[in-house]
Amino acid sequence: DAGVIQSPRHEVTEMGQEVTLRCKPISGHDYLFWYRQTMMRGLELLIYFNNNVPIDDSGMPEDRFSAKMPNASFSTLKIQPSEPRDSAVYFCASSLQGPTEAFFGQGTRLTVV
Amino acid sequence: QKEVEQNSGPLSVPEGAIASLNCTYSDRGSQSFFWYRQYSGKSPELIMFIYSNGDKEDGRFTAQLNKASQYVSLLIRDSQPSDSATYLCAVTAARQLTFGSGTQLTVLP
Repeated sequence: DAGVIQSPRHEVTEMGQEVTLRCKPISGHDYLFWYRQTMMRGLELLIYFNNNVPIDDSGMPEDRFSAKMPNASFSTLKIQPSEPRDSAVYFCASSLQGPTEAFFGQGTRLTVV
Repeated sequence: QKEVEQNSGPLSVPEGAIASLNCTYSDRGSQSFFWYRQYSGKSPELIMFIYSNGDKEDGRFTAQLNKASQYVSLLIRDSQPSDSATYLCAVTAARQLTFGSGTQLTVLP
């Protein structure tokens, strides 16, 4: 298996633009997590899905952030409009049985200027 | 109060020594405990997990769990320069996997 695949690896965008991050989980994993990592706040859980259904989105910072999982092999995290404080590395992770051993993608480094 | 606390370091040890990394957590209902290693610019990688009180050994790594004290640690024996990384403690609580802020470890050749 290729592992969790995220795209793009790097994204630079201007403030106010829409940004879409993409994730393909490991096949057969029923749980998908979106995390954000910054120096100040560390690794924060934004939202997670179980069988394509959002279970907990309490970590989503505000309405500018939205996430979808239309099928078992694809998820998106969208920021609209983006702001400089959204600059971070965004990780997608998947796991077989809930919030247990999670396998991370390579991350998307987002810079909003 | 943070749910998962780690000393941020940096922690420096000489090559061949034992590195000891510590983590405390606040939710007594936590059931699963994980150690992830993250090299600079890379994604977190799972290296150990422990569910029961006591020690669990895997090669040069030993995870120790004390639920009464709400304490979990990671020992790295015979530390190598390639072990230099940030080590993240993670705990399952309230159906979430919550991470500490990580301890930066440097193994000096």
